[in-house]
Amino acid sequence: QVQLVESGGGVVQPGRSLRLSCAVSGFTFTRYAMHWVRQAPGKGLEWVAVTSFDESNKYYADSVKGRFTVSRDNSKNMLYLQVNSLRPEDTALYYCARQGDYYGSGSYLDLWGQGTLVTVSS
Amino acid sequence: DIQMTQSPSSVSASVGDTVTITCRASHDVSTWLAWYQQQPGKAPKFLIYGATSLRSGVPSRFSGSRSGTDFTLTISSLQPEDFATYYCKQATTFPSFGGGTKVEFK
Repeated sequence: QVQLVESGGGVVQPGRSLRLSCAVSGFTFTRYAMHWVRQAPGKGLEWVAVTSFDESNKYYADSVKGRFTVSRDNSKNMLYLQVNSLRPEDTALYYCARQGDYYGSGSYLDLWGQGTLVTVSS
Repeated sequence: DIQMTQSPSSVSASVGDTVTITCRASHDVSTWLAWYQQQPGKAPKFLIYGATSLRSGVPSRFSGSRSGTDFTLTISSLQPEDFATYYCKQATTFPSFGGGTKVEFK
């Protein structure tokens, strides 16, 4: 079954850290770049980060640069997002998403997980 | 950074109507433009890539167009399952989403 399953969210105090995970199954993980996208409650979508299939290229939104780190373990079919120095404005549902390889080199996200909720509050 | 300005933020429509959503990029993104649909409480669903190409399995009542840095999503003959929020996204190395358009029942 082709799917992405996020985990690791929770309630955390400002300044603390979390590691979000995305378990991949049903397709060849090593073929694909992978993204994180977040959505604050009642708000729109915000792109967060991307890693290439081999981690040779990683890019981040300005809002998280220096605080968040994307990584992957291709041997375990896992994607991660280390989120440090959390702020209340980081409160959101965090989705992992696959960048489809059928559509040319554009960042077209053709498979999404259901998200894991991070709440930053004292 | 490339900003994506999407309008309207909401639109009221009835089954059978045609709905048009527009998105303007602050810089040239060529045809690196996608559209996504999000139902309440669900993950986004990928609809259109390359500004005009329908993903396999997406109904033909959905269409996309481009004029320079202006992009349009048109939904013809709106169906009950089309009432949702739609997002454009420029699909360059540093992607960014538009603010979303909620298609509501009139």
